[in-house]
Amino acid sequence: SAVISQKPSRDICQRGTSLTIQCQVDSQVTMMFWYRQQPGQSLTLIATANQGSEATYESGFVIDKFPISRPNLTFSTLTVSNMSPEDSSIYLCSVEDLQGLANEQFFGPGTRLTVL
Amino acid sequence: AQSVAQPEDQVNVAEGNPLTVKCTYSVSGNPYLFWYVQYPNRGLQFLLKYITGDNLVKGSYGFEAEFNKSQTSFHLKKPSALVSDSALYFCAVRDTGANNLFFGTGTRLTVIP
Repeated sequence: SAVISQKPSRDICQRGTSLTIQCQVDSQVTMMFWYRQQPGQSLTLIATANQGSEATYESGFVIDKFPISRPNLTFSTLTVSNMSPEDSSIYLCSVEDLQGLANEQFFGPGTRLTVL
Repeated sequence: AQSVAQPEDQVNVAEGNPLTVKCTYSVSGNPYLFWYVQYPNRGLQFLLKYITGDNLVKGSYGFEAEFNKSQTSFHLKKPSALVSDSALYFCAVRDTGANNLFFGTGTRLTVIP
């Protein structure tokens, strides 16, 4: 399975500012995903990031609020823009494992964001 | 459309007893089903998956899950619970042809010494 790291692991930010979260994978992967896990809740997919194309956003998420970069096959960033306290969540990146038929996803350790 | 239901927010079990964490799903095609575990302050760890074939699948840490097509269920089981199994468990489904996983709301398992 891929080894995934995220930076920062946690941050406390002021309202109105932006934070960029980095996701690094130790192998080349086609598909990377960004999820949000709000306090006490399940994971919600924000967007799918493929290298060389625009990210695909899920309903309720827009590029202006959550711009994503995918410059190569091992790296992606998610920016949380113009933050409000409602953005306080754990943000996780994941990658698809192409070894198995069902292509399960493996997750990074997450970035815990608190917005004051 | 795909959906996953974990009807129990919390499951408590005594150490050494068998445990079951329930999951039901709804997909339009053939389901790919997954269980993940989340320990405190850590990311999600993959436990096991069902793709096709034998309805009973075995995964990490002694966990297993049984796929039941008629009941559209994929319950997670372990014959003898350990205190270290205490964590948050998520069931997830992936519909045929879909790229992303859809997660249930999670079940917090507490194993009592």
